[in-house]
Amino acid sequence: NAGVTQTPKFRVLKTGQSMTLLCAQDMNHEYMYWYRQDPGMGLRLIHYSVGEGTTAKGEVPDGYNVSRLKKQNFLLGLESAAPSQTSVYFCASSLRLAGGPMAGELFFGEGSRLTVL
Amino acid sequence: GENVEQHPSTLSVQEGDSAVIKCTYSDSASNYFPWYKQELGKRPQLIIDIRSNVGEKKDQRIAVTLNKTAKHFSLHITETQPEDSAVYFCAASMRGDRGSTLGRLYFGRGTQLTVWP
Repeated sequence: NAGVTQTPKFRVLKTGQSMTLLCAQDMNHEYMYWYRQDPGMGLRLIHYSVGEGTTAKGEVPDGYNVSRLKKQNFLLGLESAAPSQTSVYFCASSLRLAGGPMAGELFFGEGSRLTVL
Repeated sequence: GENVEQHPSTLSVQEGDSAVIKCTYSDSASNYFPWYKQELGKRPQLIIDIRSNVGEKKDQRIAVTLNKTAKHFSLHITETQPEDSAVYFCAASMRGDRGSTLGRLYFGRGTQLTVWP
């Protein structure tokens, strides 16, 4: 099992360009998440999904869009990248909803380092 | 204020000493408190978690304690080793936004632990 896989692992963008980060999981998890990690800021939730075809906003959703067309995939899009979106992005999945009454382990991908010039 | 506050932000200890990291949370209904370890350049991984119906949990050299009254929980690492050097994140489940039944997991800002040989 590969677990949670993210592509690409590194990307450099110019301000205003668009891109999509792809997350794939092979654990048949219902719940998937996109976090961003900035120095001294911990992990902040961007968007999440509670199942195929559903998405919801997290703490810092502005400037991002997501889609969950297939259960195993969760895409994070930046329509017009800004320097403030320079960050390391982590995808995660879980068997139960993180923060829910029966919350359990989050399984993270290896991260995608995005630089916006 | 922040949902989850974590202290200290950096911690240096000598090999063999103990390390303690503390977190406070704001939602009295929080019921799940995981700790994640992130080695340099790697993904966060769950090392231990505790639920609100338990006051303490141990796993070999790692323990977590929870004080629901004071709304704080702590990670204790005994007999520290150089391989314990990493960033440690605490997290707490929180109730969803008003009108939402979906809970969220909020992370602290992290503690950089360095264990000197």
